[in-house]
Amino acid sequence: DVKVTQSSRYLVKRTGEKVFLECVQDMDHENMFWYRQDPGLGLRLIYFSYDVKMKEKGDIPEGYSVSREKKERFSLILESASTNQTSMYLCASSLSGQGPSGANVLTFGAGSRLTVL
Amino acid sequence: QKEVEQDPGPLSVPEGAIVSLNCTYSNSAFQYFMWYRQYSRKGPELLMYTYSSGNKEDGRFTAQVDKSSKYISLFIRDSQPSDSATYLCAMSANTGGFKTIFGAGTRLFVKA
Repeated sequence: DVKVTQSSRYLVKRTGEKVFLECVQDMDHENMFWYRQDPGLGLRLIYFSYDVKMKEKGDIPEGYSVSREKKERFSLILESASTNQTSMYLCASSLSGQGPSGANVLTFGAGSRLTVL
Repeated sequence: QKEVEQDPGPLSVPEGAIVSLNCTYSNSAFQYFMWYRQYSRKGPELLMYTYSSGNKEDGRFTAQVDKSSKYISLFIRDSQPSDSATYLCAMSANTGGFKTIFGAGTRLFVKA
């Protein structure tokens, strides 16, 4: 069964702390994504990666960075957490190419709910 | 104006009702249209996938795409309490296939 695992389901951090969110997928997918989900705003893309060590900015990259050292692992880093980064963070992965098995079909993890005090 | 508009609800219906969920969009380049279902405290999971215009049926679920009106729909027949979830529409263009745009999601409650 296709699986995306996010290591932390719930985190509480203080303003200014460095935060790491880890994501691992076991489907050998080329593409990996980080979204944040906020009420009324839906899912917004923070960063994505289409290959090891490759990364591309999404729509809201400010305040975030990412790391992809291995194909199966994609990390989201908040260098200095702020209260406006309190949110649900969703990791996703997909294969490359078009069609129903391709880049447009995302498999999501269960999410990491981050609260910044 | 958002690229994808979706009424957040909540939408509450009795068991057995036909449910209609809708999204409108502004980017005529979108060709791939998806519906995801998200249960509480879980990540979204793909429910329906449609390429270009037309209808697609899968059990109690039917997805419709009208590209001329930039309007997509998801119909749920004989709704069940287990259908209670948030439904997110999503779409992407043929180019830059990594950019999937999501609607805000509609929260659905099906009452037994």
